[in-house]
Amino acid sequence: EPEVTQTPSHQVTQMGQEVILRCVPISNHLYFYWYRQILGQKVEFLVSFYNNEISEKSEIFDDQFSVERPDGSNFTLKIRSTKLEDSAMYFCASSDLPVPRVNEQFFGPGTRLTVL
Amino acid sequence: ELKVEQNPLFLSMQEGKNYTIYCNYSTTSDRLYWYRQDPGKSLESLFVLLSNGAVKQEGRLMASLDTKARLSTLHITAAVHDLSATYFCAVDSMEYGNKLVFGAGTILRVKS
Repeated sequence: EPEVTQTPSHQVTQMGQEVILRCVPISNHLYFYWYRQILGQKVEFLVSFYNNEISEKSEIFDDQFSVERPDGSNFTLKIRSTKLEDSAMYFCASSDLPVPRVNEQFFGPGTRLTVL
Repeated sequence: ELKVEQNPLFLSMQEGKNYTIYCNYSTTSDRLYWYRQDPGKSLESLFVLLSNGAVKQEGRLMASLDTKARLSTLHITAAVHDLSATYFCAVDSMEYGNKLVFGAGTILRVKS
């Protein structure tokens, strides 16, 4: 069964360092998303991406964040200068149809980011 | 702003008992999603509800959607320990793009 994959599973970094989180969405999906979940809290939307551009982003997704689809399979989230409050689980998701059609999003296993 | 509220946030129940988790949302939407998350794991899609009155069942879980009341329920029948997890409902709406807006989650603990 096709699935979303993410690497690394755990990333530890020093405050101020850049990190890149990688995702391989399901191959025939066209819509890609990043969400994050701070420990014990709810899942929050960061950004959606379609046709090689950002379709929507949340207030969390400030200038320190960027996304890219560098090739036909990978989808990356870059945090340019990490802050302590960026520590969270980051989930990548993909779907094949947007609103108003079925928008069932499939989530990857997540990358736990720890900023020290 | 699209808001999604779940209750209860924590549910401890005995095996064999029934219970219902509620999910209210603030906008007109006829689509609602339920996910399950095990500790330290990803979100697993359980149900996709796409219209008013939609009801779906999988094993001991049954989900329903009332778009007029902006309410979805996840009913657990004769709970077993394996159902212990966190359950999230999520909503999307054309008004708010493709993003899913999640409830806070309900932590379910089934005691044997």
